[in-house]
Amino acid sequence: QVQLLESGPGLLKPSQTLSLMCTVSGGSMSSGSYHWSWIRQPAGKGLEWIGHISNSGSANYNPSLNSRVTISVDTSKNQFSLNLSSVTATDTAVYYCAAARGRFDYWGQGTLVTVSS
Amino acid sequence: EIVLTQSPGTLSLSPGEGATLSCRASQSVSSSYLAWYQQKPGQAPRLLIYGTSIRATGIPDRFSGSGSGTDFTLTISRLEPEDFGVYSCQQYGRTPRTFGQGTKVEVK
Repeated sequence: QVQLLESGPGLLKPSQTLSLMCTVSGGSMSSGSYHWSWIRQPAGKGLEWIGHISNSGSANYNPSLNSRVTISVDTSKNQFSLNLSSVTATDTAVYYCAAARGRFDYWGQGTLVTVSS
Repeated sequence: EIVLTQSPGTLSLSPGEGATLSCRASQSVSSSYLAWYQQKPGQAPRLLIYGTSIRATGIPDRFSGSGSGTDFTLTISRLEPEDFGVYSCQQYGRTPRTFGQGTKVEVK
């Protein structure tokens, strides 16, 4: 069973870069055929897909965030990461990492990121 | 982008009753790449159904999915106390992956 755990700062100021890490356990990232994904959810709102990356490093991003997002993967460490630049208050949300085969099979517990001056 | 619209926004039901949740897509969802998730307060979503009608591992058979093209349905045959929460649909036929806004199933 794949398990995922997000980590990173919970509070940012506007214009800073959000950086989160997701650590995968329960097996090697390289052995599966998952897309390693990031999803976010503002309080009381629906889920928004941010993007995903394959084991080979091929990434795909939501066009609504495309210019600000970078997802990278380090299969040797069983980790993948999210960078979101120039954050504003509208980026305040719970951020989830997930393992996906199209559908999101496994999810991390989520981490709250607040953007406030 | 494929927009998913869920209805109703809220369902108020009693344990033992059945629930029917709708998810309508703005474009046809290819190959029935449609999934459903359950989410409880403070928790991550949990995959219930994928491929329109395939139950994920460990999901009881009171949950069923159906539909094709642009219209999809999640049915819960008899609500158990643990079934109350928010249900979201998601399409994975195209990128960007998109979710519906959710249907809240609450205790009447």
